[in-house]
Amino acid sequence: DAKTTQPTSMDCAEGRAANLPCNHSTISGNEYVYWYRQIHSQGPQYIIHGLKNNETNEMASLIITEDRKSSTLILPHATLRDTAVYYCIAGAGGTSYGKLTFGQGTILTVHP
Amino acid sequence: DTGVSQDPRHKITKRGQNVTFRCDPISEHNRLYWYRQTLGQGPEFLTYFQNEAQLEKSRLLSDRFSAERPKGSFSTLEIQRTEQGDSAMYLCASSLTDRGRETQYFGPGTRLLVL
Repeated sequence: DAKTTQPTSMDCAEGRAANLPCNHSTISGNEYVYWYRQIHSQGPQYIIHGLKNNETNEMASLIITEDRKSSTLILPHATLRDTAVYYCIAGAGGTSYGKLTFGQGTILTVHP
Repeated sequence: DTGVSQDPRHKITKRGQNVTFRCDPISEHNRLYWYRQTLGQGPEFLTYFQNEAQLEKSRLLSDRFSAERPKGSFSTLEIQRTEQGDSAMYLCASSLTDRGRETQYFGPGTRLLVL
C-alpha cells in the first residue's frame, strides 16, 4: 500500500467547511483512496473512497488531483459531532484483497 | 450502527488466561478482516478471510493468536496465554466487492485489558 501523509491536527469552526489534505505521491494506478474517521472509543467509520474521479456522498466530497498524488476530503458544513481522527488510506481494492493500512491520521477539532 | 457486531465489547483478564472474541459481519459480506489498535495509533491489520478461507496473516499475529470463520459467517479470534502487551482494541470489519470497489465496515471493537 502507498504511504500517506496527513497533518497531525486541524481546527475548524462549526458551520464552516473542513478541508483535510492527504499526500499519497507513491500511489499506484489501481490503488483507491479511502477516508475513514474514528470518534473516540468507537470503530472506524467509512466516509468515502475514489480512484481518480472526484466523489461526493451524503457525508463528504473527495477531490483527487489529476496526477493522483494528493487528495482533499471536504466536510461542507462541519458540526461538533465531526470532531474525530480522520484517516486517509491508499490501498488495493477490487480483485485483490483490500487490507487497509492506517497511518496516524488527522485529529480534526470542530469548535463552536 | 454499521451492521457489524462484536462481542464482548470489553474484556478484562489476567495474564496467562485465554480469551475469545466474536465478530458477526454484515450477512452478505464475503470478506472479513481483524485489526488491532493500541492507544494513540491507527488500526493495524491482523488477518483476513474470504468466505471461510483465511488468506493472510500479519506478522503481528503470533502463534498465540488464532482466528476462524466456520461456514464463512461469524468469526472468532482467540488469544492464548495473554500478555500485557495484548491489551488493545480488537476491531472486525466486513466487506463486499462490487464491480471492483470494496468498502470495509467496522464493528465497535472489543477492548481488551490484560492485568
